[in-house]
Amino acid sequence: QKEVEQDPGPLSVPEGAIVSLNCTYSNSAFQYFMWYRQYSRKGPELLMYTYSSGNKEDGRFTAQVDKSSKYISLFIRDSQPSDSATYLCAMIGSSNTGKLIFGQGTTLQVKP
Amino acid sequence: DTEVTQTPKHLVMGMTNKKSLKCEQHMGHRAMYWYKQKAKKPPELMFVYSYEKLSINESVPSRFSPECPNSSLLNLHLHALQPEDSALYLCASSQDSRFGYEQYFGPGTRLTVT
Repeated sequence: QKEVEQDPGPLSVPEGAIVSLNCTYSNSAFQYFMWYRQYSRKGPELLMYTYSSGNKEDGRFTAQVDKSSKYISLFIRDSQPSDSATYLCAMIGSSNTGKLIFGQGTTLQVKP
Repeated sequence: DTEVTQTPKHLVMGMTNKKSLKCEQHMGHRAMYWYKQKAKKPPELMFVYSYEKLSINESVPSRFSPECPNSSLLNLHLHALQPEDSALYLCASSQDSRFGYEQYFGPGTRLTVT
């Protein structure tokens, strides 16, 4: 079993929809939870990170962490065609060596 | 500015060639990382440098040789690669390795080994 599970999709939604992307994990030592966006043939772009449980909002993006369920989510409101990309969740423990544990990535397509 | 630059953007090399990938950041970060990414897969960590010292080597074959000449630069020297080494090679940096949750990635070098 992988430490981080993420449905690869693809996920296709109409423009303006609310998108929900999710990851589950098994290692209770994870303390920081990140979401990266990666466009085709580009490097990953850090969208946001969250420490421990709770919510964090940045514009149209909201990250949620539920440590009791070992479940994290990224919500995208009013989705745009420019949001079409692969979204990678990543996690790291408190004994922070810099080693990120990534999910497989979910491919999102937002149709005009 | 959260920019990490990588050169070259594309590289095609034969199995007997020697080449180098370069990465640069001017954010004052003291941790730098090399990742390898195959198509439709997440990045895989190869090496971590912390304060110019190698702190993590993820059992990478010796045909990949990292170098950190100073706090802004990171090189990856390539020699006698195999076709299966073809991939996107990504560099990242963070304030230091304790801030690994805030890594900034470069655009990558797309490597093809023939």
